[in-house]
Amino acid sequence: SQQGEEDPQALSIQEGENATMNCSYKTSINNLQWYRQNSGRGLVHLILIRSNEREKHSGRLRVTLDTSKKSSSLLITASRAADTASYFCATDEREYGNKLVFGAGTILRVKS
Amino acid sequence: DGGITQSPKYLFRKEGQNVTLSCEQNLNHDAMYWYRQDPGQGLRLIYYSQIVNDFQKGDIAEGYSVSREKKESFPLTVTSAQKNPTAFYLCASSMMTGRQPQHFGDGTRLSIL
Repeated sequence: SQQGEEDPQALSIQEGENATMNCSYKTSINNLQWYRQNSGRGLVHLILIRSNEREKHSGRLRVTLDTSKKSSSLLITASRAADTASYFCATDEREYGNKLVFGAGTILRVKS
Repeated sequence: DGGITQSPKYLFRKEGQNVTLSCEQNLNHDAMYWYRQDPGQGLRLIYYSQIVNDFQKGDIAEGYSVSREKKESFPLTVTSAQKNPTAFYLCASSMMTGRQPQHFGDGTRLSIL
């Protein structure tokens, strides 16, 4: 039961600009996590936001969660070429037991 | 440094052959997972294990098998019953179950000869 869906599928921006990616899900969650994947590598955990939180920051990352709309957004400020990667949201769905459900991801390209 | 090691990085399978992908972690994590990633898609869960000598099927377990004889190790066997095995396979672990952040290995890319 794949749940998280990212939008857009791909995003291309200039270095220094901000990048915003969105994630939507379908049922109740305990938490929502964002991961980054560089080409040909494993995923790296970026940030976790709990269902009772609305916003969370980590360095240049800002994550928001709107449980009424069942959506989350990841904002990367002042992007760098090194931010070029795929970004995935993953939801811990209450009805899905002890597993994460990953979306299809957003491919971000930051041009220098 | 603690982490997850997957081997080999590239693997080729002949028709009718079983192949085993290795996953070892030294993070002292209880839970381990196997995912399959196809081009342009997210991760799909194959199998997961919350404790030694116990594992559960994920969404796409058919044609795969696993074992969890040691806490550190969670090998995945792709059997000849898996008709479309070409994919990128990722192993992950977490302190407990899915609510915790998962740590990933760098994957094994499996191709058919």
